[in-house]
Amino acid sequence: KQEVTQIPAALSVPEGENLVLNCSFTDSAIYNLQWFRQDPGKGLTSLLLIQSSQREQTSGRLNASLDKSSGRSTLYIAASQPGDSATYLCAVRPETSGSRLTFGEGTQLTVNP
Amino acid sequence: KAGVTQTPRYLIKTRGQQVTLSCSPISGHRSVSWYQQTPGQGLQFLFEYFSETQRNKGNFPGRFSGRQFSNSRSEMNVSTLELGDSALYLCASSRTMGGRDYGYTFGSGTRLTVV
Repeated sequence: KQEVTQIPAALSVPEGENLVLNCSFTDSAIYNLQWFRQDPGKGLTSLLLIQSSQREQTSGRLNASLDKSSGRSTLYIAASQPGDSATYLCAVRPETSGSRLTFGEGTQLTVNP
Repeated sequence: KAGVTQTPRYLIKTRGQQVTLSCSPISGHRSVSWYQQTPGQGLQFLFEYFSETQRNKGNFPGRFSGRQFSNSRSEMNVSTLELGDSALYLCASSRTMGGRDYGYTFGSGTRLTVV
């Protein structure tokens, strides 16, 4: 059974810092990995999608890497801003369970002005 | 381009009642998935529909059911509501083209409160 773990569970940083969020998964047989952000009481907003054949994806100040063999992904946020405050979730789509996503518990990020 | 639309946004129901939630996917997306999010359990997969067929199902009791229509819109139904069914219900749509999965787009969710 696929398990996804995100570390840390919570993170509080001053504005302007660069930061790294971690995601690990137990079964490396994945189709892809997707990072989302969720604001309180809202739905999920997709940030980056990394296919299993890719090593990283970038969008603006965000960069996500994937090391499939070691079961790890990182989300790097450069020059953090208060508007980045949210919960960040990673989700993997395993190769063998159809389109079912398995989510981590999330990292709750607070960026202080 | 319109996103995934879920209605209603909020619902308050009484134990024992039933409820129907609706999801309209992004135009052209044929796969619709449903997830339940609670503080204690996180995001849990309910089921997935593709071309009006249930393709995958999570570990939820039979009180949770769904369907998909020919226009890809989907509904999920929960019968005999229990207090523990209080949650944010999220719908996601996705598309696959040329064997490539383009990831999931989620709606804003329906907040269900059972009293």
